[in-house]
Amino acid sequence: SYELTQPPSVSVSPGQTARITCSGDALPKHTAYWYQQQPGQAPVLVIYQDTERPSGIPERFSGSSSGATVTLTISGVQAEDEADYYCQSVDNSGSVIFGGGTKLTVL
Amino acid sequence: EVQLVDSGGGLVQPGRSLRLSCAASGFNFDDYAMHWVRQAPGRGLEWVSGIRWNSGIIGYADSVKGRFTISRDNAKNSLYLQMNSLRPEDTAFYYCARDHGPGGLTWFDPWGQGTLVTVSS
Repeated sequence: SYELTQPPSVSVSPGQTARITCSGDALPKHTAYWYQQQPGQAPVLVIYQDTERPSGIPERFSGSSSGATVTLTISGVQAEDEADYYCQSVDNSGSVIFGGGTKLTVL
Repeated sequence: EVQLVDSGGGLVQPGRSLRLSCAASGFNFDDYAMHWVRQAPGRGLEWVSGIRWNSGIIGYADSVKGRFTISRDNAKNSLYLQMNSLRPEDTAFYYCARDHGPGGLTWFDPWGQGTLVTVSS
């Protein structure tokens, strides 16, 4: 079965750039989406179709794609960005798949 | 305002059944596919099941296939998840989520607030 692999944790200081990767064999064929989940809350969409940002999401959030890896970049990280981040895509059997999640810590 | 409200969770014994509901408001419910996603405490997100606008089934996770059934009532703007033969490993927060389109398998936005299902004797 297809899987999406994310680093368990990423740490950055305020104002720096955080990059969270998501890798998987399904990604060259299917687009990826990113969600932010604050503690005790439901996930919120922050990037769709690899690179698009929904209205209301700060410009410091951006997405990119290269082959079997997609990347969520948060430029000028703020304390409020500390959260869990999940990538999502679709596998070739038509099932939705999520990455294992990355905990972003703002030092 | 687009809103999804999950309900129906609770404490249930192994082997018993539970039915979750998701009430939608603020948008044309029958224009969108819908999904259930769960999250065990302290764990990551796991897709459970999805259903198209016309009640066509998108699919089920292998972990729930044959035990869970997704359905919807467009007249009532509601999504359901019938969970039978529950196991302790089904313990999780269950979220409903709206797909971007009617056919499913795009992005999920918004999500409900989640409802906690605890399977324990």
